[in-house]
Amino acid sequence: SQQGEEDPQALSIQEGENATMNCSYKTSINNLQWYRQNSGRGLVHLILIRSNEREKHSGRLRVTLDTSKKSSSLLITASRAADTASYFCATDPAGAQKLVFGQGTRLTINP
Amino acid sequence: DAGVIQSPRHEVTEMGQEVTLRCKPISGHNSLFWYRQTMMRGLELLIYFNNNVPIDDSGMPEDRFSAKMPNASFSTLKIQPSEPRDSAVYFCASRTETSYNEQFFGPGTRLTVL
Repeated sequence: SQQGEEDPQALSIQEGENATMNCSYKTSINNLQWYRQNSGRGLVHLILIRSNEREKHSGRLRVTLDTSKKSSSLLITASRAADTASYFCATDPAGAQKLVFGQGTRLTINP
Repeated sequence: DAGVIQSPRHEVTEMGQEVTLRCKPISGHNSLFWYRQTMMRGLELLIYFNNNVPIDDSGMPEDRFSAKMPNASFSTLKIQPSEPRDSAVYFCASRTETSYNEQFFGPGTRLTVL
């Protein structure tokens, strides 16, 4: 079963707006990662946040992690049409060597 | 770096036929993962290898599925016999020991079983 659950399942915004996606998980983790998948392509790693970190930035991406609530959020600022894709959170459960992916958020940026 | 290479990119076969999917991980990566993605079930981990040894195959659907990694640069996922419900996109991913489990995905193989 999928540990990470993304919210919302689909998001449509205008170019230039900010997009926020959320992820909840169930067990203790070593880290949490976000991946992007363009239509018909493989997943691409975006950013990783460790369990002892609360916030991380990479370009227009900002990730937060709240281990007490077992939740994370991904913020994409100043969205562009090229950001249209599905975004997945993936947790690295403590004691495991594998990632558990959520169902993803389908983001559409309207020009 | 060429990235993770998968072949074929598309496969159309008839029910009952054997299907073999291939993966070449990134050179120097010592872990390899096979995933299946469908609209209904999302992205599922089927099996993963560390240093060519299968570590967790609990995601393999049934005995019709088998995976091998004969050396560090090659892995196969075989389905025999194939069924229409096996239709999906199959991804291979690899990582290094020191990458905090950041995985690098191949482009996937889209399998259609008629």
